[in-house]
Amino acid sequence: AQSVTQPDIHITVSEGASLELRCNYSYGATPYLFWYVQSPGQGLQLLLKYFSGDTLVQGIKGFEAEFKRSQSSFNLRKPSVHWSDAAEYFCAVGASSGYALNFGKGTSLLVTP
Amino acid sequence: SQTIHQWPATLVQPVGSPLSLECTVEGTSNPNLYWYRQAAGRGLQLLFYSVGIGQISSEVPQNLSASRPQDRQFILSSKKLLLSDSGFYLCAWSQGSGNTIYFGEGSWLTVV
Repeated sequence: AQSVTQPDIHITVSEGASLELRCNYSYGATPYLFWYVQSPGQGLQLLLKYFSGDTLVQGIKGFEAEFKRSQSSFNLRKPSVHWSDAAEYFCAVGASSGYALNFGKGTSLLVTP
Repeated sequence: SQTIHQWPATLVQPVGSPLSLECTVEGTSNPNLYWYRQAAGRGLQLLFYSVGIGQISSEVPQNLSASRPQDRQFILSSKKLLLSDSGFYLCAWSQGSGNTIYFGEGSWLTVV
């Protein structure tokens, strides 16, 4: 079965600084990988996804993620963080033949002035 | 376009009382439907998923049950709530296998 690890529970960055959120997955075949963002008290919004093809994936709100098979990673990046990016970020993994996704425990992002 | 709605948004229930959370999807047919629970610091836990009317798969043994009486309706229930049932419950849907899952707004349940 597939699983996801997000090593960082909390991350604090200054507004305007670059951001990288880590995600490592465990899955025997080629995974389907996702990043979601959750603002307090709300549902999850899809930022981006990787199914196949180009390993650098562009998403909404200026985010991108890179799939690295050799490292079993799918890290999320943004070159310049805005205060509105403060939220909880979840990495998730799925299978082409499966239905539900397995989520990491999330990384809480705090943006300081 | 597809939309998903769940209600109520907030619920405070006493221990031992019943529960019913409802979720509906519009703009698609035969979706896969899911109930996830989110507890503080524990990420999202898949509770149930359904690939069709009357077809329910349970991922964890618990005090809750799910039903799918119509194609685009998914209900989460309990006969007697426990304190440990408190949390944020998210309904979601997807189309086919291996596809993106889209989430509803969530329902806060506090059991007192």
